[in-house]
Amino acid sequence: LAKTTQPISMDSYEGQEVNITCSHNNIATNDYITWYQQFPSQGPRFIIQGYKTKVKNEVASLFIPADRKSSTLSLPRVSLSDTAVYYCLVGDDSNSGYALNFGKGTSLLVTP
Amino acid sequence: NAGVTQTPKFQVLKTGQSMTLQCAQDMNHEYMSWYRQDPGMGLRLIHYSVGAGITDQGEVPNGYNVSRSTTEDFPLRLLSAAPSQTSVYFCASSYNRDYKDTQYFGPGTRLTVL
Repeated sequence: LAKTTQPISMDSYEGQEVNITCSHNNIATNDYITWYQQFPSQGPRFIIQGYKTKVKNEVASLFIPADRKSSTLSLPRVSLSDTAVYYCLVGDDSNSGYALNFGKGTSLLVTP
Repeated sequence: NAGVTQTPKFQVLKTGQSMTLQCAQDMNHEYMSWYRQDPGMGLRLIHYSVGAGITDQGEVPNGYNVSRSTTEDFPLRLLSAAPSQTSVYFCASSYNRDYKDTQYFGPGTRLTVL
C-alpha cells in the first residue's frame, strides 16, 4: 500500500490557481492516483483519477510526472465554494488489508 | 437512484446504550464500507464488505459489529456506546474494492455519546 504525504493545509484567495502536491515515493506499477474532495458536513466525493501524464476534467487537472512519485492536483481560479479537504489516494485492486486509506488530507481555505 | 443513504442523520446516546446505524445503496455495488471521522482527522476505516455474507475489519473495528445479509444494506452496530465513539460516521460503496472504482459516500451520521 503506497503511503502518501500531502500538506495539512493551504490558503488561497479567490481567483487564484491552487496546486496541491501529493508525494507517493513507493507507488507500485499498477497503482492509480485518485483525488477526493470533502466539503464540511458532507461525505467525500470523487474529483479526478490518473495513472500517468496529465488528466483534465471540468473540475480539476491532475499532473503526474514520469517517475510517478508525486502528483499535483490543480484547481483553476478557485472560488469560496472550493473550500474543502482534498484527499490523495494511491493504490490498485490488489491491496489487502485496509482498503481506501484516506489519511488526513489537505484542508484548503479560500478567502475573498 | 438515491445513491447511498444513511439513517439517522443525528443521534445522541448514553454510555452503555446500543444502536444500529443504517446504510443502504441502490447501485448494486459489491463493496461497502464504514468510516468514522473525528475533528481534524481524516477518515478511518471501521469495517468493510466485499459482498453479501463477507465482512472484514478495518483500521478501528473495536466496539463495532457489521453484517451484510443483502447487497443493498450494510448496518453498523455499536454494542455498548462509549464517549470515544462520538464521531461522524460515513458509509460508502463502490462496484468493487478497487482504488480505480469511484467511492460513493452517504451524507453521514453525527453521533454523540454522553
